[in-house]
Amino acid sequence: RKEVEQDPGPFNVPEGATVAFNCTYSNSASQSFFWYRQDCRKEPKLLMSVYSSGNEDGRFTAQLNRASQYISLLIRDSKLSDSATYLCVVNRNYSYKLIFGSGTRLLVRP
Amino acid sequence: SQTIHQWPATLVQPVGSPLSLECTVEGTSNPNLYWYRQAAGRGLQLLFYSVGIGQISSEVPQNLSASRPQDRQFILSSKKLLLSDSGFYLCAWRSGTGVSNEKLFFGSGTQLSVL
Repeated sequence: RKEVEQDPGPFNVPEGATVAFNCTYSNSASQSFFWYRQDCRKEPKLLMSVYSSGNEDGRFTAQLNRASQYISLLIRDSKLSDSATYLCVVNRNYSYKLIFGSGTRLLVRP
Repeated sequence: SQTIHQWPATLVQPVGSPLSLECTVEGTSNPNLYWYRQAAGRGLQLLFYSVGIGQISSEVPQNLSASRPQDRQFILSSKKLLLSDSGFYLCAWRSGTGVSNEKLFFGSGTQLSVL
């Protein structure tokens, strides 16, 4: 079993839709969580950190469920420019290694 | 502010040729440095990471090696490239404070094609 798992998608949604991705992690010692966005043939870029209390940045909301060991990303009012691959990242406590999921691809259509 | 530079952006090399990719970070000291590889349509695979000069940890056995000759310089090398070394190589850094929630920042990547 992979340490971090994501549905590869693609999620194909119309503009203005709300879409949510989940990411599960297997190591209960995981301490830090992030969502990255990656455009085709580009480097991943940090979208947001995920805190225990959840956090929101504009149209994006990230939440953490430690009991069930998953994090989620909710995108409201989807834009064409949101089309990308979204990577879930997990860091164990006291570890230098960040573990990446394989990503979830989002396609927003006009 | 901190910046990370990685070059070249694209590289086409014949099988059996050597490789050297370089990455430098500015605006920070004692960063943790990383090399990742991403095969087409796949996730990121951690190849090497370094917590200090001369300190290299290898994650997977492979045809590649890494070196950190200076605090903010990280080099990925190979003596003889294989077809399977093709991919998108990404250098990354994060603060070396040891705090687990420090974010990771990537260079712009090198698309390597071995023919």
